[in-house]
Order: sequence, then structure tokens, then C-alpha cells
Amino acid sequence: QKEVEQNSGPLSVPEGAIASLNCTYSDRGSQSFFWYRQYSGKSPELIMFIYSNGDKEDGRFTAQLNKASQYVSLLIRDSQPSDSATYLCAVGTGGYNKLIFGAGTRLAVHP
Amino acid sequence: SAVISQKPSRDICQRGTSLTIQCQVDSQVTMMFWYRQQPGQSLTLIATANQGSEATYESGFVIDKFPISRPNLTFSTLTVSNMSPEDSSIYLCSVETLGSYEQYFGPGTRLTVT
Repeated sequence: QKEVEQNSGPLSVPEGAIASLNCTYSDRGSQSFFWYRQYSGKSPELIMFIYSNGDKEDGRFTAQLNKASQYVSLLIRDSQPSDSATYLCAVGTGGYNKLIFGAGTRLAVHP
Repeated sequence: SAVISQKPSRDICQRGTSLTIQCQVDSQVTMMFWYRQQPGQSLTLIATANQGSEATYESGFVIDKFPISRPNLTFSTLTVSNMSPEDSSIYLCSVETLGSYEQYFGPGTRLTVT
């Protein structure tokens, strides 16, 4: 059973701080890794995609991948109240790159 | 990214009936996927919809309950058949864009079965 694990939270951070979200996965053959943001009542929105070991930065977001440790993380710098949402980690697996999702981490950024 | 629409956005259906959900993309895509998100839970893949061939179903999902069509590179349908209250969920389609592993989601269909 291929699994993706996330801390469900809530993770509470003050405005302006760095939020750190973590995810581990079980399938060593996984090649692609995604972070989605989901606001309540909305569909998931892709915010980061990474497939190589190391860091990938996009604006205030940095995704970090360590395939040896089967670990992927998302850092959000200068957190804003509008970042308050559930963050879903997803891992692509299999020939069709189907996604297996973690349970999601709820992030709350307070002023 | 791709612009994805789903119809209907929501519906309330009686048990024993069927509902067909449509997913339309504004550009040609390689893969289309159908997911279910039950209340308060994460996403679970139902099936992968391939153009020109039968869909590939995940464990726990069968074609008789969730028949899928993919007649071309921009359109797919998912039917939820013989519905029960346990089928109440949000159904989402996602697409994988050409030349990329990136997957984008449609707005979802919120289904309530009474």
C-alpha cells in the first residue's frame, strides 16, 4: 500500500513568519511531487511541483525534496493570513503518474 | 496551466438514480483523472481516463458503479450509478498537461444523495 503521510495540524504561525510543512512517502519509485493549496469549499490549486532532489523556489514558496529520505517539504516565507488553508502533499506514481494524496495539513496564519 | 470546467457544479439526487458529470478542458491534454473527496477527507483517485481506450480503475472502484468515457483529448465524463448516500462527495477531474507532469483540478461537483 503506497502511502503519503502528513501532519494534520493545525499548524499555527504568526503573520510574517516561515511556515514549514512536511510530507513523507513510502514508494521509492515515485518521480514527481506536488503541493496543492485547498481553501474550504474550493478545489485544490497547484502551488509547487518538484521532481529533482534539492530545492525549488517560486516567490514565497520553496519546495524541498530528499528522495533518499523519502521526504518532501514546503516552506512559506512571510506568511500571510491569506495563506491559511489546507496544504495537500501529493506523490506521482505508476506509469500514468497518478497522484496519491496525503491527508493534508491545515495552516492557520494569525495577524 | 489549463482551464477546466465541470458540470454540474452541484446536485442533489435520490438514491438509486445515476448522475453523469462532465469535465471539459480548453486545450488538449494527455491524461485525465477522476478523484473523489469525501467530507473532511483528502482526495482518492477513482480512475485514469485514457483517450481511445478503457479507463483504468483503482482498487475499490469498479466500472459498473463509475463508468467513464473519454471520447477526445479535451472531454471526459464520469457517471455515478445506482447512487446511495455513501456516494455523497465532491467529485473532481484533473488533467495532466502536454509535455509536463503538472496536474490541475477542475472546480469539482458537489453531490448529495438523499
